[in-house]
Amino acid sequence: NAGVTQTPKFQVLKTGQSMTLQCAQDMNHEYMSWYRQDPGMGLRLIHYSVGAGITDQGEVPNGYNVSRSTTEDFPLRLLSAAPSQTSVYFCASRRGTGKTKNIQYFGAGTRLSVL
Amino acid sequence: GENVEQHPSTLSVQEGDSAVIKCTYSDSASNYFPWYKQELGKRPQLIIDIRSNVGEKKDQRIAVTLNKTAKHFSLHITETQPEDSAVYFCAATYYSSASKIIFGSGTRLSIRP
Repeated sequence: NAGVTQTPKFQVLKTGQSMTLQCAQDMNHEYMSWYRQDPGMGLRLIHYSVGAGITDQGEVPNGYNVSRSTTEDFPLRLLSAAPSQTSVYFCASRRGTGKTKNIQYFGAGTRLSVL
Repeated sequence: GENVEQHPSTLSVQEGDSAVIKCTYSDSASNYFPWYKQELGKRPQLIIDIRSNVGEKKDQRIAVTLNKTAKHFSLHITETQPEDSAVYFCAATYYSSASKIIFGSGTRLSIRP
């Protein structure tokens, strides 16, 4: 299993540009989440999904959109990039049931710079 | 909503000494508390977790304690080694539901030789 795969690993955008961060998992996990990591701020939840077709907002959802059309994929869209969205973005997935259901598996991260 | 506070933000200990990181959560319904370790440039990985029906859990040099009344939980690392240097995150959630997992702000632990 590849686990959780994020692309791209690095990205530089200009203010106002849009882009999609990709996340895919091959573990058949029901739950998927997007976090951003900023120095001194920890991991802040942007959006999450408990299954295909179901998404919900996290702590810092403004400026980001998500959709979950399949169990495997959970893309994060930046509609109009701003310098405040410069961060490292992590996608994570976990099972929805069973003994290990709360163990989150993280992707390798996407480092995004907005100029 | 759920809020998790973590202290200290940085911690430096002599190799071989113990390190303690503390967290406080706000939602009394939370009953599952994982700890993640993130080495430099790597992704966070689960190192230990505890559920609220247990007061303490140990795994070799790592232990977690939980005080449900005070809504505090802590990570204890004994006999610290250089490979323990990393950022540690606590988190809280409600085990049985589809709740979000909310993380603390992280503690950067440095082990001095």
